[in-house]
Amino acid sequence: KNQVEQSPQSLIILEGKNCTLQCNYTVSPFSNLRWYKQDTGRGPVSLTIMTFSENTKSNGRYTATLDADTKQSSLHITASQLSDSASYICVVSPLNDYKLSFGAGTTVTVRA
Amino acid sequence: ETGVTQTPRHLVMGMTNKKSLKCEQHLGHNAMYWYKQSAKKPLELMFVYNFKEQTENNSVPSRFSPECPNSSHLFLHLHTLQPEDSALYLCASSQEVGLAGPRDTQYFGPGTRLTVL
Repeated sequence: KNQVEQSPQSLIILEGKNCTLQCNYTVSPFSNLRWYKQDTGRGPVSLTIMTFSENTKSNGRYTATLDADTKQSSLHITASQLSDSASYICVVSPLNDYKLSFGAGTTVTVRA
Repeated sequence: ETGVTQTPRHLVMGMTNKKSLKCEQHLGHNAMYWYKQSAKKPLELMFVYNFKEQTENNSVPSRFSPECPNSSHLFLHLHTLQPEDSALYLCASSQEVGLAGPRDTQYFGPGTRLTVL
């Protein structure tokens, strides 16, 4: 069983609307949690990084939250734009292992 | 751009062919990685090199053969592949293996889309 589960698998939203993506993980203990954005035909690019002691981190219209007690993270996209259409991947770094645990990603499609 | 380049971007090969994927990083990093990305599945780590030494071979079939001549270049040699090997192959680099926090951020290349006929 994968140690990082993301939901939903995909979603479609209208331009200008907000959306929230979920990530549940079992990796423990962990060093940090990242959200990556992967545009079609490109490699993943880091959006946010949070250590276990951080609750929230913003990057423009992207806001990530972390609840280390429930082992849940979310990525909120505000006022979506067409360029937000991409796959968003939750990645957890174990504390004493360099091998990252990846979620399968959520595909977001923003329509005009 | 992330500073990691991959060539070719697309590759179609028959099961009896031999081809190579190339990755180059311009970030001064010492660790490089090969990942396989299949549709709707998490990234799968294949190989890890740290200061040109292979530190991880994640039970990858021998038809995939990595080569790391220096810290800036990484190759993946392919031979007698199977159709199920069709996927996006991503290269990544980081400062070095074993660092914690933001210093262990991996920077990914654009990938090579491989189709095996």
